[in-house]
Amino acid sequence: KNEVEQSPQNLTAQEGEFITINCSYSVGISALHWLQQHPGGGIVSLFMLSSGKKKHGRLIATINIQEKHSSLHITASHPRDSAVYICAGPGGSQGNLIFGKGTKLSVKP
Amino acid sequence: NAGVTQTPKFRVLKTGQSMTLLCAQDMNHEYMYWYRQDPGMGLRLIHYSVGEGTTAKGEVPDGYNVSRLKKQNFLLGLESAAPSQTSVYFCASKLGGPNTEAFFGQGTRLTVV
Repeated sequence: KNEVEQSPQNLTAQEGEFITINCSYSVGISALHWLQQHPGGGIVSLFMLSSGKKKHGRLIATINIQEKHSSLHITASHPRDSAVYICAGPGGSQGNLIFGKGTKLSVKP
Repeated sequence: NAGVTQTPKFRVLKTGQSMTLLCAQDMNHEYMYWYRQDPGMGLRLIHYSVGEGTTAKGEVPDGYNVSRLKKQNFLLGLESAAPSQTSVYFCASKLGGPNTEAFFGQGTRLTVV
């Protein structure tokens, strides 16, 4: 059974700082998802990646399949980036996801 | 394009009452899922469906039932609500299996008193 671990659980940053959130998983997977959840809000898919790196605006996600590790980076952080960031891996052939507990990010102005 | 829509968004139930949560998607996705989100825990799978007319149990199915009579709708039922079912419920849909993107609804915040 795949297990997904995230660190840190909580993160406070000043506006403009470079932020890194880490995710590790216990079994081999072919793709990993990064999701964003704003307070009281729904869940939005940021990235799904199976190798290398993906970039969208100020967000960058990297994955190392051999090391079973992925990172989400936010450059030039902004208060509107304050949210819970969740990584998730595949749970099986039925397509469900196994989720980490999330990293709560707070960016102060 | 609405994506995944959940109704209702909020609900308070008394112990023993029943209710149905509706998830509707307009992306012609085959796979649909119900998850619950509790403090300090990752989202956990309740039930899922890989196509119209099919359903299966996930990690935490007890106390819930589901139906997928139409491809676009996935219903989650609580026959006799318990305080332990107080949670935020998320529906998700995907076009296919493991390596496809997941789309989530806005969530339903349910409180059972």
